[in-house]
Amino acid sequence: ETGVTQTPRHLVMGMTNKKSLKCEQHLGHNAMYWYKQSAKKPLELMFVYNFKEQTENNSVPSRFSPECPNSSHLFLHLHTLQPEDSALYLCASSQTRGGSNTGELFFGEGSRLTVL
Amino acid sequence: AQTVTQSQPEMSVQEAETVTLSCTYDTSESDYYLFWYKQPPSRQMILVIRQEAYKQQNATENRFSVNFQKAAKSFSLKISDSQLGDAAMYFCAYRSLPGEMDSNYQLIWGAGTKLIIKP
Repeated sequence: ETGVTQTPRHLVMGMTNKKSLKCEQHLGHNAMYWYKQSAKKPLELMFVYNFKEQTENNSVPSRFSPECPNSSHLFLHLHTLQPEDSALYLCASSQTRGGSNTGELFFGEGSRLTVL
Repeated sequence: AQTVTQSQPEMSVQEAETVTLSCTYDTSESDYYLFWYKQPPSRQMILVIRQEAYKQQNATENRFSVNFQKAAKSFSLKISDSQLGDAAMYFCAYRSLPGEMDSNYQLIWGAGTKLIIKP
């Protein structure tokens, strides 16, 4: 299996819908991340989980709700989104302890979200 | 706060030629990591090359090499013998060294450079 897997790859939802994005990593990493990628803008870090504990929440609106049940799985629950939330949502993982702690991120292929 | 700037939104190069992508950053720290990531049209971002600021030697990975100028805060990526598979978005990123509590693991990203390879 690939290192970081995201589902679904594409999602179209109305502003009143509730949906979830899923991410799973098979690399044994302890940290997982949600990023938002919009055209011609730097990646925006949304949430970070380290050993299942949320350690970063970069002023993300409450209509985005993360969940990390264990170090291998990460969810992003979506509800009452706005059209400007349409973007590519990337999940990543990394190892933040030990000699391999160089900050390298391993990414999934992303979930393309369109909000109508 | 640290910032990363990629001044070239798009670059094109003839296949087999060499191209250099620019990246500058701003920081008051003396030790840190710098990265180049590649995002092909299939969208999975992968690490191309990493440079530790305390190392004077420029990092090299096969056809990819960097020109790290610490005083100038410049970190350019050189791709030699460009191939069609090199076509992608390239992102430069900065990371502080990890703190005692492993808290410094945020990457600061540039806006990216789209590289087009002409056959």
